[in-house]
Amino acid sequence: DAKTTQPNSMESNEEEPVHLPCNHSTISGTDYIHWYRQLPSQGPEYVIHGLTSNVNNRMASLAIAEDRKSSTLILHRATLRDAAVYYCILSAGGTSYGKLTFGQGTILTVHP
Amino acid sequence: DAGVIQSPRHEVTEMGQEVTLRCKPISGHNSLFWYRQTMMRGLELLIYFNNNVPIDDSGMPEDRFSAKMPNASFSTLKIQPSEPRDSAVYFCASSPRTGVNGYTFGSGTRLTVV
Repeated sequence: DAKTTQPNSMESNEEEPVHLPCNHSTISGTDYIHWYRQLPSQGPEYVIHGLTSNVNNRMASLAIAEDRKSSTLILHRATLRDAAVYYCILSAGGTSYGKLTFGQGTILTVHP
Repeated sequence: DAGVIQSPRHEVTEMGQEVTLRCKPISGHNSLFWYRQTMMRGLELLIYFNNNVPIDDSGMPEDRFSAKMPNASFSTLKIQPSEPRDSAVYFCASSPRTGVNGYTFGSGTRLTVV
């Protein structure tokens, strides 16, 4: 499976935008890019996913580099409830579903 | 929709005992996944099913672990015999084949083997 690289931790202030980077230089042409987050004492939660084009939903935006070797999850206005571990994952098998292998993720701390 | 339902929420058992974890996926979801999470190893995929059929069990740590999905609305993960190193949070997740909204995870079962 192609690997992703994320910073171990990031910090933000409340109500400011947050840009969480992810490198995936060995991504294949059919790998989807997924983002999940895990709040303390909860199961992981789906945030967003995409293939080539930038994606927006009610939770966040996903910006995908033109060469697809990196992507950025954008939280437009961080709240204290956004403090979590954020995982960037590439799906195996060239589909938007199927096996997902989680890495260590980025611990996001949001300061009031 | 009640989401993915796991039971029990917490389980404490003695070493050597059999443990059975249960999962009810979201109705209509075709895929079901079992993950284990520990501080040392993070989230590990143990096994996943498509349409009730096991597709990849390469993450199952050893023969003491087994998983079944007898129908589309129920799955079990069994550990027999249990060992202290099996202590972890076990998550079940389900996903529709379209993948539009990703996986939905349950709240997990925290297993402690003493």
